[in-house]
Amino acid sequence: DAKTTQPPSMDCAEGRAANLPCNHSTISGNEYVYWYRQIHSQGPQYIIHGLKNNETNEMASLIITEDRKSSTLILPHATLRDTAVYYCIVRVVMNYGGSQGNLIFGKGTKLSVKP
Amino acid sequence: GAVVSQHPSRVICKSGTSVKIECRSLDFQATTMFWYRQFPKQSLMLMATSNEGSKATYEQGVEKDKFLINHASLTLSTLTVTSAHPEDSSFYICSARKGMDRWNTEAFFGQGTRLTVV
Repeated sequence: DAKTTQPPSMDCAEGRAANLPCNHSTISGNEYVYWYRQIHSQGPQYIIHGLKNNETNEMASLIITEDRKSSTLILPHATLRDTAVYYCIVRVVMNYGGSQGNLIFGKGTKLSVKP
Repeated sequence: GAVVSQHPSRVICKSGTSVKIECRSLDFQATTMFWYRQFPKQSLMLMATSNEGSKATYEQGVEKDKFLINHASLTLSTLTVTSAHPEDSSFYICSARKGMDRWNTEAFFGQGTRLTVV
């Protein structure tokens, strides 16, 4: 799986949009971009994933550049409860019935939402 | 989303004893579960992949005789830390892949188990 690069930390004011960047310049055509977050002392929580089109759900938006070498996770109105470590992961599509699917976590971005 | 439950959430044990951690998928069948370990201020490290009805696949450097994994059903995988030592103290997290859908690539995580060996 391709490697990702994220800034180690970011601050965001409560109520403002949090834009978390991720570089994945070696991504291949069959790799998805996934975002997870981990609030302190909890298991990771799935946020969103995409292949090449921008995606939006109730939690966030994912913007993937046209060349797919980078992406941005957007939390439109950050709250204090969004303070967490955010992980950007690229992964191949799992084969049917295979045991692939484990996620390889980097160091992520520690997002601190401040009042 | 799908729910994965881990038990216990926190355990303290004496050095030399064994500890069993359970990982259950509550509302879906998980043919594959993954076990991770996370030391303080570090990222998650994959320990092993657990497949229902077959032997687990361990990552390099993880002792299979020390970390026993059993995936006896489609909703339950267990990790037993045998003869635990203080250096095994860590945050253990499981995740489960939902079903056999080729295009369903989300992984769902348990809440983690904080193991402290004294």
